[in-house]
Amino acid sequence: DVVMTQSPLSLPVTLGQPASISCRSSQSLVHSDGNTYLSWFQQRPGQSPRRLIYKVSNRDSGVPDRFSGSGSGSDFTLKISRVEAEDVGLYYCMQGTHWYTFGQGTKLEIK
Amino acid sequence: QVQLQQWGAGLLKPSETLSLTCAVYGGSFSDYYWSWIRQPPGKGLEWIGEINHSGNTAYTSPLKSRVTISIDTSKSQFSLELTSVTAADTGVYYCTRGPNPGTHDFDYWGQGALVTVSS
Repeated sequence: DVVMTQSPLSLPVTLGQPASISCRSSQSLVHSDGNTYLSWFQQRPGQSPRRLIYKVSNRDSGVPDRFSGSGSGSDFTLKISRVEAEDVGLYYCMQGTHWYTFGQGTKLEIK
Repeated sequence: QVQLQQWGAGLLKPSETLSLTCAVYGGSFSDYYWSWIRQPPGKGLEWIGEINHSGNTAYTSPLKSRVTISIDTSKSQFSLELTSVTAADTGVYYCTRGPNPGTHDFDYWGQGALVTVSS
């Protein structure tokens, strides 16, 4: 199985400041079709996960543009340019290249 | 707008069978795969398995011997059965749309169902 490793696991951030979450996979996520299937999900307290980003850097409809995804191969990053109170929650990366596995989650909280 | 609504028994004893159903509203049910994903308390997400409108399934290896996902296209519903449950099967279970062919992920999620296994 592909292991997804996120860091940090806990991320205290001051409102208005940027935040960054790293996600590394145990093997390359480049699919035989040439695409890289890496997604990011946000899970607010008490809610179901919500997809933010798909195929590394494509933002879902309705996702604020302060969220951005980048990376390649086995090294990926989710960035929030200016953290707002509504961003509190858990963030998961997920790979869909070799079946489907998720990272452990990163808990974002306001400092 | 696609909505997934799920239901099922929330409290089970060890060795019993977990059974959950998910109804899909909106969108084209037969055009997609449908999956179950679970989240043990305080832990991350685990994909359990998938099914398409033809009934083709795939399951995660650790659960393969105990899990069955079925589909009823006439009702736009799909279901999960997990036999011989133990405390390790406790968690929130989500029904989801996906994996989607273009993104290989899950774009719509049900509200989640807490399943507790305890004697």
